[in-house]
Amino acid sequence: QVQLQESGPGLVRPSETLTLTCSISAGSISSYCWSWIRQPPGKGLEWIGHIYYTGSTSYNPSLKSRVTISLDTPNSQFSLKLRSVTAADTALYFCARDLRDGYCDGEWGSWGQGTLVTVSS
Amino acid sequence: QSMLTQPPSASGTPGQRVIVSCSGSNSNVGRNTVNWYQQLPGTAPKLVISRNNQAPSGVPDRFSGSKSGTSASLAISGLQSEDEADYYCAAWDDNLNGVVFGGGTRLTVL
Repeated sequence: QVQLQESGPGLVRPSETLTLTCSISAGSISSYCWSWIRQPPGKGLEWIGHIYYTGSTSYNPSLKSRVTISLDTPNSQFSLKLRSVTAADTALYFCARDLRDGYCDGEWGSWGQGTLVTVSS
Repeated sequence: QSMLTQPPSASGTPGQRVIVSCSGSNSNVGRNTVNWYQQLPGTAPKLVISRNNQAPSGVPDRFSGSKSGTSASLAISGLQSEDEADYYCAAWDDNLNGVVFGGGTRLTVL
C-alpha cells in the first residue's frame, strides 16, 4: 500500500513562497498521477493541481499564476510551490495519488495525512 | 462558490437510509465520472465511491452511488454512528481542465 507524507514549514510570511514536499513510500513515483488539494480551516476541499509521472501538469485556473508542481523522481518526492501567499492561502494541504495508473481525474485512492500551513507575519 | 452543489447538511437515525445529492453541469458531472469522499474530523478524505458507483476495496457495501445526467447521489443504508462525517463529491471539469468539488455535506447520525 503506497504511503504519502507531506512536509514543510507550518508558518509562511505574507508575500513569500510556500513550499511543500510529498514523500512517497511503498510505491513508485514513476507512474500514476500526483495531486495537491487544500482545505482552509472549517471550509471545503479545493484542488490545486496535479503532475503526471511524465512531468505533464495541470493547475486550478484560480491559482495557476502562482503555482508550480514538480517531480523529484530519484528521491520519490513531488513538491508544491505557491508564490506570493496571503492569509487566504492558510489551509490544510494534502497530497494524493490517483487510484488508477493512466488517469488524472480526481479518483484519489491514497492521501497523505495533511499539513497545516498558516500564512501570517 | 463550489462548482458542484451539495446540501450543507443531512441527518438520519441508526439503521436508516440517507441520500446525499450532488448537482453539476454538462462540463463536469454530465460528461465525467463522479467520486465521493468521506472526511472524518481531523483526518484526510477517504474515497468511498469512485467512477459514479464503484466502491473501493474495504468500503462497506452499505455505501452506493449513482448518476443521472448532471446529478449524482451517494446513498448510505443501514446508517451507523461511525458514518457521521463530511461527504464531498468531485468530478473532472472539461471547461476548467481540472477537478471540481462540491461544498460538502455534513452527515449527522441522530
